[in-house]
Amino acid sequence: SQQGEEDPQALSIQEGENATMNCSYKTSINNLQWYRQNSGRGLVHLILIRSNEREKHSGRLRVTLDTSKKSSSLLITASRAADTASYFCATFPSGGGADGLTFGKGTHLIIQP
Amino acid sequence: ETGVTQSPTHLIKTRGQQVTLRCSSQSGHNTVSWYQQALGQGPQFIFQYYREEENGRGNFPPRFSGLQFPNYSSELNVNALELDDSALYLCASSDGGRWRTEAFFGQGTRLTVV
Repeated sequence: SQQGEEDPQALSIQEGENATMNCSYKTSINNLQWYRQNSGRGLVHLILIRSNEREKHSGRLRVTLDTSKKSSSLLITASRAADTASYFCATFPSGGGADGLTFGKGTHLIIQP
Repeated sequence: ETGVTQSPTHLIKTRGQQVTLRCSSQSGHNTVSWYQQALGQGPQFIFQYYREEENGRGNFPPRFSGLQFPNYSSELNVNALELDDSALYLCASSDGGRWRTEAFFGQGTRLTVV
């Protein structure tokens, strides 16, 4: 089953604009990660934020985490055509055990040149 | 690009057949996980291997099985294929010594069951 839901399901913006995607999840987490997927191929890890962190930056990416609302957002600034892809949030649950990542359904981002 | 390689890239099988998918993990990684991604959906966790033992499993039936070898490469086997098994199968490797860290994915194997 899917843990989270990304919002919106699809987003189309002009090159140079900022893109914001949101993710909600259901259970307590150890960390939340964002991945990018181009054309149905492998996923590329973008950024990891731990449950005790509120904000993290990596290049043009900014991720926020609100554990009280069980939500996260991914901001891509100054978008480029190469950013066109599907973006997924994924969570590792808190507690013990060997659990895999639980992914949402993704946001499909299209950057118009 | 990650050091995780999967083979084959595409595969067509008939319902009822069996299939084996292969994955070579990134150098230094002792943990391999497998995911199934149906069209338009996010990946779903099948199972995970750590040092040749399955140590985590998602909500998949026993006809989905796997192996991890001493060099940490891995296989996913699916018996009695069903039409709904058509999907992209993704392998991910990670460093088991760094618990719940980022995963490095291969390019996937696209399986079509007809």
